[in-house]
Amino acid sequence: EAGVTQFPSHSVIEKGQTVTLRCDPISGHDNLYWYRRVMGKEIKFLLHFVKESKQDESGMPNNRFLAERTGGTYSTLKVQPAELEDSGVYFCASSQGWTGLRYSYNEQFFGPGTRLTVL
Amino acid sequence: LAKTTQPISMDSYEGQEVNITCSHNNIATNDYITWYQQFPSQGPRFIIQGYKTKVTNEVASLFIPADRKSSTLSLPRVSLSDTAVYYCLARFGGSQGNLIFGKGTKLSVKP
Repeated sequence: EAGVTQFPSHSVIEKGQTVTLRCDPISGHDNLYWYRRVMGKEIKFLLHFVKESKQDESGMPNNRFLAERTGGTYSTLKVQPAELEDSGVYFCASSQGWTGLRYSYNEQFFGPGTRLTVL
Repeated sequence: LAKTTQPISMDSYEGQEVNITCSHNNIATNDYITWYQQFPSQGPRFIIQGYKTKVTNEVASLFIPADRKSSTLSLPRVSLSDTAVYYCLARFGGSQGNLIFGKGTKLSVKP
């Protein structure tokens, strides 16, 4: 079974440009999360999708960030325009949620991350 | 939200049992305690989750006392490949799901 994949693995852009990150969750996982770690800081929650709906977007830093999950499959996170402080590693994770027997929201499968560098 | 406190770093030798204790004094009655492992340049990886008493899986054990104010992750007979950062998280197992990471414990296993 394929794990969570993210594309690209690394992106270097200039301030003011637009970047779109993609995440493909594990097949069948309704829950998809975005997190990010900026240099020297903890991993911070950004957004939680349940299928195609935004369940919780309280972690999104500002309106330069737009996340979508069309059709409830893969998700994209667009940063427009990018600023220097957006540099960091962006992780995507997915989970099954309610398995029918127990909650597995905390058992999240993370992708390898996309390293974004804004110059 | 429950705040977790854990050691910044620990050193161990190969073959030893490593116990990492996490404090979470204000954990909610419906919070699960979850542990993740992260290697450099990789995303965090789920290790184990528990609610109370003891949970064991193929890689670790988790001990949670009755007052649930702390929990201990036990890694039996560590190897060099267990060198990583370990995160303790306390999160609700219901409709929320977003994880709140702390600084973690950096475990260094030496030969």
